[in-house]
Amino acid sequence: AQKITQTQPGMFVQEKEAVTLDCTYDTSDPSYGLFWYKQPSSGEMIFLIYQGSYDQQNATEGRYSLNFQKARKSANLVISASQLGDSAMYFCAMRGRDQGGKLIFGQGTELSVKP
Amino acid sequence: KAGVTQTPRYLIKTRGQQVTLSCSPISGHRSVSWYQQTPGQGLQFLFEYFSETQRNKGNFPGRFSGRQFSNSRSEMNVSTLELGDSALYLCASVIGTGGTEAFFGQGTRLTVV
Repeated sequence: AQKITQTQPGMFVQEKEAVTLDCTYDTSDPSYGLFWYKQPSSGEMIFLIYQGSYDQQNATEGRYSLNFQKARKSANLVISASQLGDSAMYFCAMRGRDQGGKLIFGQGTELSVKP
Repeated sequence: KAGVTQTPRYLIKTRGQQVTLSCSPISGHRSVSWYQQTPGQGLQFLFEYFSETQRNKGNFPGRFSGRQFSNSRSEMNVSTLELGDSALYLCASVIGTGGTEAFFGQGTRLTVV
């Protein structure tokens, strides 16, 4: 069975500082994909970044980067230069091999950015 | 390029009624997945449709059903509503098999009274 664990229910960060949101996963599939989403209070799930299990380099998208450590089965999201608009829930998700569009989500981390 | 469109955005229903939610994926995307989000259970996968066929199914009772049309639009139906069905229902659009991006709509917030 596949599982995603996010151990930080809530995090605080000062504006303009970097923050790391933790995500560990468990799967027996040799091929899988890892996703991070942001969910503001409006409810929409905003896609941030994707990392494939065979990707050699860590994924980056603007201020977002994914610290992928395959042997440790971790896929932490790093947000650089935090902004007030980054305050939201953040979800880590995984898709296994041959799972099509099915994503397994973690419980989420609520990030609050302080001015 | 239009995003994923879910209608309606908000819905209030009475116990025992049924409801139909709609999801229009991004143009060219053939896979639509549905998720239920509640404070207690988090985000749970309901089912996925690809090219009008159900490809994956989560652990939900048969009251939850769906379908997909030839234009990739998908509908989700919940019959005999229960109070516990109150949730945010999200759909996700993926281009096909193994896509590296999955885009979500804004969700339908269903309240059962």
